[in-house]
Amino acid sequence: DQQVKQNSPSLSVQEGRISILNCDYTNSMFDYFLWYKKYPAEGPTFLISISSIKDKNEDGRFTVFLNKSAKHLSLHIVPSQPGDSAVYFCAASGNYGGATNKLIFGTGTLLAVQP
Amino acid sequence: DSGVTQTPKHLITATGQRVTLRCSPRSGDLSVYWYQQSLDQGLQFLIQYYNGEERAKGNILERFSAQQFPDLHSELNLSSLELGDSALYFCASSVGGGLITLFFGPGTRLTVL
Repeated sequence: DQQVKQNSPSLSVQEGRISILNCDYTNSMFDYFLWYKKYPAEGPTFLISISSIKDKNEDGRFTVFLNKSAKHLSLHIVPSQPGDSAVYFCAASGNYGGATNKLIFGTGTLLAVQP
Repeated sequence: DSGVTQTPKHLITATGQRVTLRCSPRSGDLSVYWYQQSLDQGLQFLIQYYNGEERAKGNILERFSAQQFPDLHSELNLSSLELGDSALYFCASSVGGGLITLFFGPGTRLTVL
Protein backbone atom coordinates (compact mmCIF):
# COMPACT_ATOMS: atom_id res chain seq x y z
CA ASP A 1 0.00 0.00 0.00
CA GLN A 2 1.58 3.22 -1.23
CA GLN A 3 0.91 5.76 1.50
CA VAL A 4 2.68 8.57 -0.31
CA LYS A 5 1.97 8.98 -4.00
CA GLN A 6 3.54 11.06 -6.69
CA ASN A 7 1.36 10.41 -9.69
CA SER A 8 3.46 12.29 -12.23
CA PRO A 9 6.63 10.36 -13.00
CA SER A 10 8.03 13.27 -14.99
CA LEU A 11 7.57 16.99 -15.63
CA SER A 12 9.14 19.28 -18.21
CA VAL A 13 9.25 23.06 -17.69
CA GLN A 14 10.87 26.00 -19.46
CA GLU A 15 13.61 27.89 -17.67
CA GLY A 16 12.21 30.86 -15.78
CA ARG A 17 8.71 29.40 -15.47
CA ILE A 18 7.09 27.82 -12.42
CA SER A 19 7.51 24.12 -11.66
CA ILE A 20 4.76 22.52 -9.61
CA LEU A 21 5.32 19.05 -8.22
CA ASN A 22 2.46 17.27 -6.51
CA CYS A 23 2.18 14.66 -3.82
CA ASP A 24 -0.79 12.91 -2.19
CA TYR A 25 -0.87 10.89 0.99
CA THR A 26 -3.38 8.57 2.56
CA ASN A 27 -2.39 8.31 6.21
CA SER A 28 -4.02 11.00 8.36
CA MET A 29 -1.41 10.33 11.08
CA PHE A 30 1.30 11.97 8.99
CA ASP A 31 2.24 15.31 10.53
CA TYR A 32 5.52 16.25 8.91
CA PHE A 33 6.28 16.43 5.23
CA LEU A 34 9.51 16.90 3.34
CA TRP A 35 10.80 17.27 -0.19
CA TYR A 36 14.09 15.80 -1.28
CA LYS A 37 15.99 16.35 -4.48
CA LYS A 38 18.15 13.66 -6.02
CA TYR A 39 20.74 13.91 -8.76
CA PRO A 40 21.97 10.75 -10.52
CA ALA A 41 24.66 8.85 -8.61
CA GLU A 42 24.06 10.90 -5.46
CA GLY A 43 22.00 10.46 -2.34
CA PRO A 44 18.79 12.45 -1.83
CA THR A 45 19.32 15.96 -0.50
CA PHE A 46 16.88 17.62 1.87
CA LEU A 47 15.16 20.60 0.26
CA ILE A 48 12.30 21.91 2.37
CA SER A 49 9.82 20.67 4.95
CA ILE A 50 6.48 21.62 6.45
CA SER A 51 4.74 20.69 9.66
CA SER A 52 1.04 19.90 9.68
CA ILE A 53 0.34 22.99 11.79
CA LYS A 54 1.24 25.15 8.79
CA ASP A 55 -0.15 25.35 5.30
CA LYS A 56 2.81 27.03 3.63
CA ASN A 57 6.56 27.20 4.03
CA GLU A 58 8.86 29.22 1.84
CA ASP A 59 12.62 29.09 1.33
CA GLY A 60 13.97 31.21 -1.48
CA ARG A 61 12.68 29.91 -4.79
CA PHE A 62 11.03 26.92 -3.12
CA THR A 63 7.59 26.94 -1.50
CA VAL A 64 5.72 23.97 -0.13
CA PHE A 65 1.95 24.07 0.28
CA LEU A 66 0.00 21.66 2.45
CA ASN A 67 -3.74 21.00 2.13
CA LYS A 68 -4.58 18.68 5.00
CA SER A 69 -8.23 18.24 4.14
CA ALA A 70 -7.27 17.02 0.68
CA LYS A 71 -4.19 15.15 1.97
CA HIS A 72 -2.18 16.90 -0.69
CA LEU A 73 1.04 18.83 -0.82
CA SER A 74 2.86 20.57 -3.58
CA LEU A 75 6.29 22.02 -4.21
CA HIS A 76 6.56 25.21 -6.24
CA ILE A 77 9.86 26.27 -7.76
CA VAL A 78 9.94 29.83 -9.08
CA PRO A 79 11.76 30.64 -11.25
CA SER A 80 12.88 27.23 -12.47
CA GLN A 81 16.52 26.87 -13.44
CA PRO A 82 18.29 24.16 -15.47
CA GLY A 83 20.20 23.14 -12.31
CA ASP A 84 16.86 22.20 -10.75
CA SER A 85 16.63 19.25 -13.13
CA ALA A 86 16.58 16.21 -10.83
CA VAL A 87 14.26 13.67 -9.29
CA TYR A 88 12.11 15.12 -6.51
CA PHE A 89 10.83 12.88 -3.75
CA CYS A 90 8.01 13.73 -1.41
CA ALA A 91 8.24 12.14 2.05
CA ALA A 92 6.01 12.02 5.10
CA SER A 93 6.34 10.96 8.69
CA GLY A 94 4.12 10.69 11.71
CA ASN A 95 4.08 9.51 15.28
CA TYR A 96 2.64 6.02 15.19
CA GLY A 97 2.20 5.92 18.91
CA GLY A 98 5.82 5.25 19.81
CA ALA A 99 9.03 7.19 19.86
CA THR A 100 9.92 6.07 16.40
CA ASN A 101 9.44 8.08 13.30
CA LYS A 102 10.36 6.98 9.84
CA LEU A 103 10.04 8.69 6.53
CA ILE A 104 7.78 7.18 3.91
CA PHE A 105 8.79 8.25 0.42
CA GLY A 106 6.88 8.63 -2.79
CA THR A 107 8.20 7.20 -6.05
CA GLY A 108 9.59 10.50 -7.25
CA THR A 109 9.01 12.95 -10.10
CA LEU A 110 11.73 13.62 -12.65
CA LEU A 111 11.85 17.36 -13.34
CA ALA A 112 13.51 18.54 -16.53
CA VAL A 113 14.03 22.30 -16.86
CA GLN A 114 14.64 23.23 -20.48
CA PRO A 115 16.96 26.18 -21.20
CA ASP B 1 28.27 16.78 1.28
CA SER B 2 25.73 15.54 3.82
CA GLY B 3 28.35 14.26 6.26
CA VAL B 4 27.06 10.70 5.94
CA THR B 5 29.57 8.29 4.45
CA GLN B 6 28.93 4.93 2.86
CA THR B 7 31.31 2.25 1.64
CA PRO B 8 31.76 0.73 -0.79
CA LYS B 9 30.40 2.90 -3.55
CA HIS B 10 29.90 -0.04 -5.89
CA LEU B 11 29.67 -3.76 -5.23
CA ILE B 12 29.36 -6.54 -7.78
CA THR B 13 28.78 -10.05 -6.58
CA ALA B 14 27.15 -13.34 -7.52
CA THR B 15 23.88 -14.91 -6.48
CA GLY B 16 24.05 -16.77 -3.20
CA GLN B 17 26.82 -14.61 -1.81
CA ARG B 18 26.84 -12.38 1.25
CA VAL B 19 27.90 -8.74 1.41
CA THR B 20 28.24 -6.05 4.07
CA LEU B 21 27.49 -2.39 3.48
CA ARG B 22 28.88 0.16 5.86
CA CYS B 23 27.60 3.57 6.96
CA SER B 24 28.96 6.30 9.19
CA PRO B 25 26.37 8.86 10.30
CA ARG B 26 26.87 12.59 10.62
CA SER B 27 28.71 13.67 13.72
CA GLY B 28 26.23 13.88 16.58
CA ASP B 29 23.46 11.92 14.88
CA LEU B 30 22.21 8.96 16.89
CA SER B 31 19.76 7.46 14.39
CA VAL B 32 20.70 5.50 11.30
CA TYR B 33 18.23 4.43 8.66
CA TRP B 34 18.67 2.08 5.71
CA TYR B 35 16.70 2.48 2.51
CA GLN B 36 16.62 0.48 -0.71
CA GLN B 37 15.96 1.97 -4.13
CA SER B 38 15.35 -0.53 -6.90
CA LEU B 39 15.03 0.40 -10.54
CA ASP B 40 12.10 2.78 -11.07
CA GLN B 41 11.10 2.44 -7.46
CA GLY B 42 10.92 4.96 -4.68
CA LEU B 43 12.94 4.71 -1.55
CA GLN B 44 11.82 1.72 0.51
CA PHE B 45 12.50 1.90 4.23
CA LEU B 46 14.34 -1.14 5.54
CA ILE B 47 15.34 -0.56 9.15
CA GLN B 48 16.21 2.08 11.73
CA TYR B 49 18.64 2.03 14.62
CA TYR B 50 18.84 4.57 17.42
CA ASN B 51 21.89 4.68 19.63
CA GLY B 52 22.66 1.04 19.05
CA GLU B 53 19.17 -0.36 19.33
CA GLU B 54 16.76 -1.38 16.60
CA ARG B 55 13.84 1.06 16.56
CA ALA B 56 11.77 0.29 13.50
CA LYS B 57 11.55 -2.26 10.75
CA GLY B 58 10.16 -1.76 7.31
CA ASN B 59 10.18 -4.01 4.28
CA ILE B 60 13.37 -5.81 5.23
CA LEU B 61 13.80 -9.40 4.11
CA GLU B 62 14.80 -12.07 6.59
CA ARG B 63 17.99 -12.58 4.55
CA PHE B 64 18.97 -9.02 5.47
CA SER B 65 20.14 -7.84 8.86
CA ALA B 66 21.71 -4.75 10.30
CA GLN B 67 23.39 -3.49 13.41
CA GLN B 68 24.64 -0.24 14.89
CA PHE B 69 27.90 -0.29 16.79
CA PRO B 70 28.92 1.70 19.91
CA ASP B 71 30.70 4.26 17.72
CA LEU B 72 27.32 4.66 15.95
CA HIS B 73 28.41 3.38 12.57
CA SER B 74 26.08 0.83 11.06
CA GLU B 75 26.37 -2.20 8.82
CA LEU B 76 23.75 -3.77 6.60
CA ASN B 77 24.32 -7.44 5.89
CA LEU B 78 22.72 -9.00 2.84
CA SER B 79 22.96 -12.77 2.47
CA SER B 80 21.87 -15.46 0.01
CA LEU B 81 21.77 -12.73 -2.58
CA GLU B 82 19.32 -12.92 -5.46
CA LEU B 83 19.22 -11.04 -8.74
CA GLY B 84 16.34 -8.96 -7.42
CA ASP B 85 18.49 -7.60 -4.62
CA SER B 86 20.36 -5.46 -7.13
CA ALA B 87 19.61 -1.90 -6.09
CA LEU B 88 20.94 1.28 -4.58
CA TYR B 89 21.19 1.07 -0.82
CA PHE B 90 21.14 4.36 1.04
CA CYS B 91 22.01 5.06 4.60
CA ALA B 92 20.64 8.16 6.28
CA SER B 93 21.08 9.67 9.70
CA SER B 94 19.25 12.07 11.95
CA VAL B 95 19.66 13.45 15.42
CA GLY B 96 16.72 11.32 16.48
CA GLY B 97 13.32 11.91 18.00
CA GLY B 98 10.64 14.42 17.17
CA LEU B 99 10.20 15.73 13.65
CA ILE B 100 12.89 14.07 11.63
CA THR B 101 14.94 15.31 8.74
CA LEU B 102 17.13 12.64 7.25
CA PHE B 103 20.53 13.29 5.75
CA PHE B 104 21.48 10.71 3.16
CA GLY B 105 24.78 9.23 2.18
CA PRO B 106 25.80 8.79 -1.46
CA GLY B 107 24.60 5.20 -1.56
CA THR B 108 26.07 1.82 -2.41
CA ARG B 109 25.15 0.38 -5.78
CA LEU B 110 24.85 -3.40 -5.46
CA THR B 111 24.81 -5.53 -8.58
CA VAL B 112 24.07 -9.22 -8.22
CA LEU B 113 25.00 -11.29 -11.28
